[in-house]
Amino acid sequence: QKEVEQDPGPLSVPEGAIVSLNCTYSNSAFQYFMWYRQYSRKGPELLMYTYSSGNKEDGRFTAQVDKSSKYISLFIRDSQPSDSATYLCALMTTDSWGKFQFGAGTQVVVTP
Amino acid sequence: DTGVSQNPRHKITKRGQNVTFRCDPISEHNRLYWYRQTLGQGPEFLTYFQNEAQLEKSRLLSDRFSAERPKGSFSTLEIQRTEQGDSAMYLCASSLAAVNYGYTFGSGTRLTVV
Repeated sequence: QKEVEQDPGPLSVPEGAIVSLNCTYSNSAFQYFMWYRQYSRKGPELLMYTYSSGNKEDGRFTAQVDKSSKYISLFIRDSQPSDSATYLCALMTTDSWGKFQFGAGTQVVVTP
Repeated sequence: DTGVSQNPRHKITKRGQNVTFRCDPISEHNRLYWYRQTLGQGPEFLTYFQNEAQLEKSRLLSDRFSAERPKGSFSTLEIQRTEQGDSAMYLCASSLAAVNYGYTFGSGTRLTVV
């Protein structure tokens, strides 16, 4: 079993809808949680970073962390065709700076 | 240029040949990371440097792989005697050691071994 599980999709939504993405993990030592967006043939781009359980909002993006359930989510409101990309969760323990465990990524397609 | 730069963007090589990739991190970043990403998967950690010291290597980094970061600036990743299984995107990222979230990735080098 992988340490980080993420549904690969594709997830297709109409423009303006809310996109809901999630990852589950098994290692309770993960303390840092990030979401990256990756366009085709490009490197990952950091979207959201959270440390504690709870919600964090940044513009149209909301990240949620539930450490008790080992479950993290990313919501994208008012989705746009430019949001079409692969979204990767990345988790890190406190003693492994920069050594992320990535999920496999969820491909999102926002249709006009 | 304030981003992480990787060259070449794409490399096609014959099985058995050696290849070398270069990464130029953000200038003030003292940590540099190499990751490998295969199709449909998330990036996998290979190794990282703090300044010129290579502090950790993944077991994915076989003895055919070697990475250097002379003078703590740019880094090179060399693969000797390439195999078809080495075909992947090789990503470089950099950060400041004191900041635990500011990891910036480059656009990667896509290696195809034929």
